[in-house]
Amino acid sequence: QSALTQPPSASGSPGQSVTISCTGTSSDVGNYNYVSWYQQHPGKAPKLMIYEVNKRPSGVPDRFSGSKSGNTASLTVSGLQAEDEADYYCSSYAGGNKVVFGTGTKVTVL
Amino acid sequence: EVQLVESGGGLVQPGGSLRLSCTASGFTFSSYWMHWVRQAPGKGLMWVSPINSDGSVTPYADSVKGRFTISRDNAKNTVYLQMNSLRAEDTAVYYCARGGNYIENPFEYWGQGTLVTVSS
Repeated sequence: QSALTQPPSASGSPGQSVTISCTGTSSDVGNYNYVSWYQQHPGKAPKLMIYEVNKRPSGVPDRFSGSKSGNTASLTVSGLQAEDEADYYCSSYAGGNKVVFGTGTKVTVL
Repeated sequence: EVQLVESGGGLVQPGGSLRLSCTASGFTFSSYWMHWVRQAPGKGLMWVSPINSDGSVTPYADSVKGRFTISRDNAKNTVYLQMNSLRAEDTAVYYCARGGNYIENPFEYWGQGTLVTVSS
């Protein structure tokens, strides 16, 4: 199974918004509403930020939002804060009891 | 409080074997899918293998199929990853993660990871 495609990097100034794309195929992102997003700070374990395309676990700020159109999912971080600087990974259920992650995007707060 | 604690990582020679363990607490372990996810140094996350609640469903990523075996002991709240025929490209931090009642559910909780280094 091939990794989902994400841009290597994204950036924005404090208070601005940044959107990260996650492109898959009709066998994964396009076929299931089971897209999740994870935030990972250096040396730390990933943290779930969004699940089922646009749902937030309790405790995740509403500055984080998700969406999907066709084979591409997106994560938007509004009102960027310094602590949002991290790596972000999408994942999708891919059928056949398989899960696939994205290639990862490093978000920099300028 | 949900806790996942991995152990068993270390340095192993190519072709060798290692068994990782992940001991869980703070939830009803026997009700959840558990997953192993790895991250090579400086690289992205890669899903390795999940196991369903009773251990009867154990799919694998193509790159580890036939070499890795996932299992669980619900009495000990522990999930294992037996890794055989290890290769340099298996070098990574291995995380265990708790899924949900279905394989489609997200990985809501993660352990701190255990480092596996395959090198001569």
